[in-house]
Amino acid sequence: DIQMTQSPSTLSASVGDRVTITCRASQSISSWLAWYQQKPGKVPKLLISLASTLQAGVPSRFGGSGSGTEFTLTISSLQPDDSATYYCQHYKSYPWTFGQGTKVEIK
Amino acid sequence: QAQLVQSGAEVKEPGASLKVSCKASGYKFRDADIHWVRQGPGQGLEWMGTINPSSTGTYYAQRFQGRVTMTRDSSTGTVYMELTSLRFEDTAVYYCARRPHCSGDSCFGMDVWGQGTTVIVSS
Repeated sequence: DIQMTQSPSTLSASVGDRVTITCRASQSISSWLAWYQQKPGKVPKLLISLASTLQAGVPSRFGGSGSGTEFTLTISSLQPDDSATYYCQHYKSYPWTFGQGTKVEIK
Repeated sequence: QAQLVQSGAEVKEPGASLKVSCKASGYKFRDADIHWVRQGPGQGLEWMGTINPSSTGTYYAQRFQGRVTMTRDSSTGTVYMELTSLRFEDTAVYYCARRPHCSGDSCFGMDVWGQGTTVIVSS
């Protein structure tokens, strides 16, 4: 199985900060990577597919990059509404797996 | 718009079986796979498996092999996830989610999610 490892597990940043979350795959997954946002008590929301394709309606301050085994999710200017846990997930082949999540807190 | 509506919360005893439904609407049922993802209390997301409503093909994560069965009823646009021999550690919120079939390199993540079904396993 392909393992997905995210870092950091938690980060705290101020409104307006640039925030970067890293996701590493245990083997190459090309660009078959998605990012999800989940707020407490809510359903996960798809932000990005194919490592860098923003889902319709997602604010442009969110961006994704990478291919192969290393990927990043960037929030260019952190907003209060971005307080959430973010998960990466590969879909190169079954079984799909998620990273363990990165909790983003607002200072 | 596309929507997935799941059945209600359940409380089960250890050893019992669980069957959660996920009713699709607003899109062609056969045009997307349905995946099941669960989340234990305070835990991350765990992918359980998938069913292709068009072919009825399934794939299950190894840790659930032998305990999980995913089926579909095309007449109602509903997918079912059955989990048997329940354990305390199966206490979780269970989500169904849609992933539209890929077209060439246009292959996206799970874009529509059900509201979640809370399952508590308790004696």
